[in-house]
Amino acid sequence: NAGVTQTPKFQVLKTGQSMTLQCAQDMNHEYMSWYRQDPGMGLRLIHYSVGAGITDQGEVPNGYNVSRSTTEDFPLRLLSAAPSQTSVYFCASRAEQGVYTGELFFGEGSRLTVL
Amino acid sequence: AQSVTQLDSHVSVSEGTPVLLRCNYSSSYSPSLFWYVQHPNKGLQLLLKYTSAATLVKGINGFEAEFKKSETSFHLTKPSAHMSDAAEYFCVVSDTGRRALTFGSGTRLQVQP
Repeated sequence: NAGVTQTPKFQVLKTGQSMTLQCAQDMNHEYMSWYRQDPGMGLRLIHYSVGAGITDQGEVPNGYNVSRSTTEDFPLRLLSAAPSQTSVYFCASRAEQGVYTGELFFGEGSRLTVL
Repeated sequence: AQSVTQLDSHVSVSEGTPVLLRCNYSSSYSPSLFWYVQHPNKGLQLLLKYTSAATLVKGINGFEAEFKKSETSFHLTKPSAHMSDAAEYFCVVSDTGRRALTFGSGTRLQVQP
């Protein structure tokens, strides 16, 4: 089972460049989300979606954009990369029916460095 | 508002000795609580969860946690550490009525041979 697949696993950008982190899940989950992980800060929610065409901001949305055109895919766009966006990014999904009790399924992460 | 505090950023134990990773939470409503584990260069995996049923929760790989409302704690324990337990562990809280999870800052568990 593929689960949650993120690409690329590693990326180096220059300040001001744009790029898209891809996330796909094959579990028919309604809920998908993006987190960033920084040392000593746990995971912080960037954006999330509860279904195709529905997205909302999380705790740290500035500098990021998302869209959800299909149930399977939830790409994260960096519009103009900044060194402060150097981080490890995780995509996670779950069934919406289990919104309070359900397990989040994580991808393996995308490590982004902005020079 | 909800929050979670992991009291130790780093814990080191010897193989075969008990493990205790401490977590305190703050929640306005009845919380759901989770422990996730992250092995190096991997995504997070659910260890166990508390969702207002039994207060002692058993998870995978011999881990368990006890929900103590009076102490607002959800500490993770294992009777005997194994080398494969070396990883980072995150305590997570979710308030009833919220979609967002709040992650603790993590505890790195080191297991010495």
